[in-house]
Amino acid sequence: RKEVEQDPGPFNVPEGATVAFNCTYSNSASQSFFWYRQDCRKEPKLLMSVYSSGNEDGRFTAQLNRASQYISLLIRDSKLSDSATYLCVVTYFNKFYFGSGTKLNVKP
Amino acid sequence: SAVISQKPSRDICQRGTSLTIQCQVDSQVTMMFWYRQQPGQSLTLIATANQGSEATYESGFVIDKFPISRPNLTFSTLTVSNLSPEDSSIYLCSVRLAVISSYNEQFFGPGTRLTVL
Repeated sequence: RKEVEQDPGPFNVPEGATVAFNCTYSNSASQSFFWYRQDCRKEPKLLMSVYSSGNEDGRFTAQLNRASQYISLLIRDSKLSDSATYLCVVTYFNKFYFGSGTKLNVKP
Repeated sequence: SAVISQKPSRDICQRGTSLTIQCQVDSQVTMMFWYRQQPGQSLTLIATANQGSEATYESGFVIDKFPISRPNLTFSTLTVSNLSPEDSSIYLCSVRLAVISSYNEQFFGPGTRLTVL
């Protein structure tokens, strides 16, 4: 069983739409949680950390549900520039475990 | 955050040869890592580069194939030895600024795209 599982997508949405991704993790003792964004042929870049109480950064909202062992990312008012692959990352004892990513295509 | 550079950005190599990838960080960092990302896949950790001692390798990766150096807190190299087409991949250097803190995010270099013919 993979440590981190994501729906690979692609999610094809029109500009202005709201889209949400989920990610599940297998280790209940996982400690830190992140969403990274990876553009085509580029390195992953940190989008946001995910805190237990949930957190928001502009159009992006991240939630953590420890009981069900999933994290989510909500993107409101999608822009063309949001098109990318979104990687869910979970840590356990200083090791980072990456999901395989969810691909988002925002269409005009 | 940290600014990370990698050299070369890409290379095409013949099978049986080796490629050494350099990673330079603009500040001293506690932890440096090497990852591999094959086409359409997520990142796989190869090893943790330890300053002044041997790297710590993940299951499936060995020192003979992926020797790593880390002479100081800002620089590391990864060599991919005895290349085969299966080694074609993107190799990414990554750093973590702190071990235990709220700032334990990882940052990545731009990657080295390796093609083995």
